[in-house]
Amino acid sequence: GNSVTQMEGPVTLSEEAFLTINCTYTATGYPSLFWYVQYPGEGLQLLLKATKADDKGSNKGFEATYRKETTSFHLEKGSVQVSDSAVYFCAFSDTGRRALTFGSGTRLQVQP
Amino acid sequence: GAGVSQSPSNKVTEKGKDVELRCDPISGHTALYWYRQSLGQGLEFLIYFQGNSAPDKSGLPSDRFSAERTGGSVSTLTIQRTQQEDSAVYLCASSTRSLGSTDTQYFGPGTRLTVL
Repeated sequence: GNSVTQMEGPVTLSEEAFLTINCTYTATGYPSLFWYVQYPGEGLQLLLKATKADDKGSNKGFEATYRKETTSFHLEKGSVQVSDSAVYFCAFSDTGRRALTFGSGTRLQVQP
Repeated sequence: GAGVSQSPSNKVTEKGKDVELRCDPISGHTALYWYRQSLGQGLEFLIYFQGNSAPDKSGLPSDRFSAERTGGSVSTLTIQRTQQEDSAVYLCASSTRSLGSTDTQYFGPGTRLTVL
């Protein structure tokens, strides 16, 4: 069945470090891919998305590229800030099914 | 404009009681979703409404859970005879469903349900 696998957290980094959060998916169709972020005490917010192979989604310095051949959508940022501390969720919506399938979330802690 | 709103923000109830959770989607959004977020299960899809079509109820965990959407706008999620394992944050999302475009879902702040 459909599923998303994310690297487990917490991920602890120093400010200005490089971030990668791995995400792979299993889908039956041709999904659209998303990263959502949940800041402390806040709701889920869309961070970025990609709808077809080789598309790169980007926002707030974060990037992720839709890799169909490896069924992956890894999140990267070149220089993290303390304000990036949050839980990051990888998700997809499969062809013909609008509901999102989420990964388990990865908590990022950025230390000054 | 206003985002998705949910009420109440917190609900504490006793085991066996019924609860109703409300969601007001973004104006003009035709699709509405319910999810729940719990420690043990992560984020799970519950139910999806699209316009006047029959809802997709495939994620509802038991027949104690039901939802309705009146007039294509406000939705209510009802949990009957609550159990402790129902404790979770219940999230509502809405989106504009457009042919040929990606269906981006916008989430509300959630209702935290605690069943004692």
